[in-house]
Amino acid sequence: KAGVTQTPRYLIKTRGQQVTLSCSPISGHRSVSWYQQTPGQGLQFLFEYFSETQRNKGNFPGRFSGRQFSNSRSEMNVSTLELGDSALYLCASSSNPSTGEVLHFGNGTRLTVT
Amino acid sequence: AQTVTQSQPEMSVQEAETVTLSCTYDTSENNYYLFWYKQPPSRQMILVIRQEAYKQQNATENRFSVNFQKAAKSFSLKISDSQLGDTAMYFCAFMKGNGNKLVFGAGTILRVKS
Repeated sequence: KAGVTQTPRYLIKTRGQQVTLSCSPISGHRSVSWYQQTPGQGLQFLFEYFSETQRNKGNFPGRFSGRQFSNSRSEMNVSTLELGDSALYLCASSSNPSTGEVLHFGNGTRLTVT
Repeated sequence: AQTVTQSQPEMSVQEAETVTLSCTYDTSENNYYLFWYKQPPSRQMILVIRQEAYKQQNATENRFSVNFQKAAKSFSLKISDSQLGDTAMYFCAFMKGNGNKLVFGAGTILRVKS
């Protein structure tokens, strides 16, 4: 089975712009979640989608949004980028984390905001 | 809210030796799952081991084993016969039962020396 695929691997954006990151889960997985990783804050949960519904959202401003499509692929959007949004964004998929199923992570998208 | 604490920012070990990484957590939940993930320089988070809180038996995966002390809320990872490929950042993570997000510790950088 193919693993979790995130595109692009690297992005450089300017303050004020918006960005969209993409995540394709492992085939058959219906849950996709997103995490932000920074040196200062570590790994923080952004949101989780299951069958196109957002089930949980972390403590991030409304500039961070996401969606999931009927094929379980997910996108994350950040609008009005700030320097502090520079981070590694990790996507993870699972069949259903609510039953303790393992989250499988992608290689991440490294976002740099200048 | 749950918290996960990894008190060792960095550790090093000689090849073929044994090393133990510490993790403590705080929760009022009785049903939960604990994980150890490793993140090598390639950035991909890889599952090392998973423990179900209701199982008293410590999980083991080849050279990796845990010491799960539920009453003490402690979940340490032991790596036996350390190999150069074990060099990575190791994260301890918590997920409550019926939950859908991981709460991560700050991580421990492990360096295996030849």
